[in-house]
Amino acid sequence: AQSVTQLDSQVPVFEEAPVELRCNYSSSVSVYLFWYVQYPNQGLQLLLKYLSGSTLVKSINGFEAEFNKSQTSFHLRKPSVHISDTAEYFCAVSRGSGTYKYIFGTGTRLKVLA
Amino acid sequence: GAVVSQHPSRVICKSGTSVKIECRSLDFQATTMFWYRQFPKQSLMLMATSNEGSKATYEQGVEKDKFLINHASLTLSTLTVTSAHPEDSSFYICSAIQGVNTEAFFGQGTRLTVV
Repeated sequence: AQSVTQLDSQVPVFEEAPVELRCNYSSSVSVYLFWYVQYPNQGLQLLLKYLSGSTLVKSINGFEAEFNKSQTSFHLRKPSVHISDTAEYFCAVSRGSGTYKYIFGTGTRLKVLA
Repeated sequence: GAVVSQHPSRVICKSGTSVKIECRSLDFQATTMFWYRQFPKQSLMLMATSNEGSKATYEQGVEKDKFLINHASLTLSTLTVTSAHPEDSSFYICSAIQGVNTEAFFGQGTRLTVV
């Protein structure tokens, strides 16, 4: 069975500092990996995804994540955070052979401090 | 990207009543839609998978008679919470895909409060 672990439930960080949100997964088959962001009382927005190809994927707002097969990780990083990055971040892995069923991690609340 | 819309975004209902939540794919035909439930400060838990024109497939532990799902068209799926109780209060999110092996798009969620 597949599972996703986000060890950090909360990550406080000062504005303009770098941040890393950790995500580890377990799976006996090839997976697709996703990071979603959720702002208060809103749905999920796709931040970035890894399906195949380059193991380093980037979003338009400065986030990046690297798929590391040997460490079964897909950590999310940003070199300099903004107040507006304060949100809940969910790592997800596809379930089954398709990319449409997801298993979500428990989420990491990123709080950017002024 | 494709847009999935949920309605209503918030609903308050009395205990014992039923409430319907709609999930619409606005600019694509969704062959499959998914319903998730999110408890406060927790992750999303898949409740059921619905395919257009067929019965929904429920995840283990989800009461199918309580959470009625209808996927009557390629752009609309509904979740009806029947005989709602305060413990049904939660954030419900749907997602939709256009075909197999494609990305899922999520709605903005519906916050249900049962009083």
